[in-house]
Amino acid sequence: GAVVSQHPSWVICKSGTSVKIECRSLDFQATTMFWYRQFPKQSLMLMATSNEGSKATYEQGVEKDKFLINHASLTLSTLTVTSAHPEDSSFYICSAPLAGSKETQYFGPGTRLLVL
Amino acid sequence: RKEVEQDPGPFNVPEGATVAFNCTYSNSASQSFFWYRQDCRKEPKLLMSVYSSGNEDGRFTAQLNRASQYISLLIRDSKLSDSATYLCVVTGGAGNNRKLIWGLGTSLAVNP
Repeated sequence: GAVVSQHPSWVICKSGTSVKIECRSLDFQATTMFWYRQFPKQSLMLMATSNEGSKATYEQGVEKDKFLINHASLTLSTLTVTSAHPEDSSFYICSAPLAGSKETQYFGPGTRLLVL
Repeated sequence: RKEVEQDPGPFNVPEGATVAFNCTYSNSASQSFFWYRQDCRKEPKLLMSVYSSGNEDGRFTAQLNRASQYISLLIRDSKLSDSATYLCVVTGGAGNNRKLIWGLGTSLAVNP
């Protein structure tokens, strides 16, 4: 089946630094990818929709200047958490749908971010 | 009211038990419904889609009641490996704004 990878799987950084997370579709092309965030004991929250070759679409309440998304190719989307703060510590998960279907999504393994 | 509501549990059941999870959703226009499973510190994995006619996959049965805006998941003969969090997911929005809305999840622990 379709595989989505994420890198890194976990990262610890100091407050104020920027962290880049990569999401790759390994055996299919994805014109759209989704970025989610999940805090402990919370549900997945969609942060933004990453669109290949165009600007990302951010959900209400998500700062686009803080969470920079780049979808430069059909197999790669990156999320950069700029000037990270401890409250940004979370589990970040990307997903990609097959064949333009938003409903059947393949999830990456997630990136656990801890900001000290 | 939350868009998707689930009893967070935890449900503690012995091996072999039958357990049922319920989920309600607020948007009557929702078109698609799913159950996902998420293990601790892992990404969610699709367990099954939910259809109006109900569907079964081995020990798992999912049902949808559109009139009551209610979805259920039944697990029969539960195994230790069924221990996980079960997430109810519905679609929300329309057109290009269509997206998945996630419940908080119901935690299941199957005990030997």
